Amino acid sequence: EAAVTQSPRNKVTVTGGNVTLSCRQTNSHNYMYWYRQDTGHGLRLIHYSYGAGNLQIGDVPDGYKATRTTQEDFFLLLELASPSQTSLYFCASSDGGGDEQYFGPGTRLTVL
Amino acid sequence: GEQVEQRPPHLSVREGDSAVIICTYTDPNSYYFFWYKQEPGAGLQLLMKVFSSTEINEGQGFTVLLNKKDKQLSLNLTAAHPGDSAVYFCAVSGNYAQGLTFGLGTRVSVFP
Repeated sequence: EAAVTQSPRNKVTVTGGNVTLSCRQTNSHNYMYWYRQDTGHGLRLIHYSYGAGNLQIGDVPDGYKATRTTQEDFFLLLELASPSQTSLYFCASSDGGGDEQYFGPGTRLTVL
Repeated sequence: GEQVEQRPPHLSVREGDSAVIICTYTDPNSYYFFWYKQEPGAGLQLLMKVFSSTEINEGQGFTVLLNKKDKQLSLNLTAAHPGDSAVYFCAVSGNYAQGLTFGLGTRVSVFP
């Protein structure tokens, strides 16, 4: 079964803080994604990647950076966190075009 | 870009009854369609993936219908039970491995 893990599961930081969210998949998938989930907006795509060293912007990339260091690991970086980035963040992986995406358990981030 | 409207936002269903969730999308080139289930505190679990050439799929306790002419995707919970209480999301993508466009979700509550 596909496995996507995220850490931390919960994070509280202050405005202007520096946060890194981690995602690891053990599915040997090429594609990885970061989404945020907010009431009234559903899930929205922040960044995604086709493979190590590759990065593509999603629909709501402002204020976020991402880095794909290996096939397994995808990181989301908030360098100057703002309260508007308080959200539930999901990572996902997939094998290719049209394939289902497998989701991690989520990281709840609160920016005070 | 693609937009997905999902309704209703909330659904209260008596155990044993059926319930229908409908998603309407805008991009006629959309190619892959998904239904996900999210239980409290958990990530998204894939219920079903539908290709453009498939109209009806049956799963365990539900049926998915794709109507490309009307650009609609529906999920029918055929005999609701308490384990069906969750938030359900539809998602749509084109014929390449970019991120999914999600509906806003439907919160289903099954009562005895």
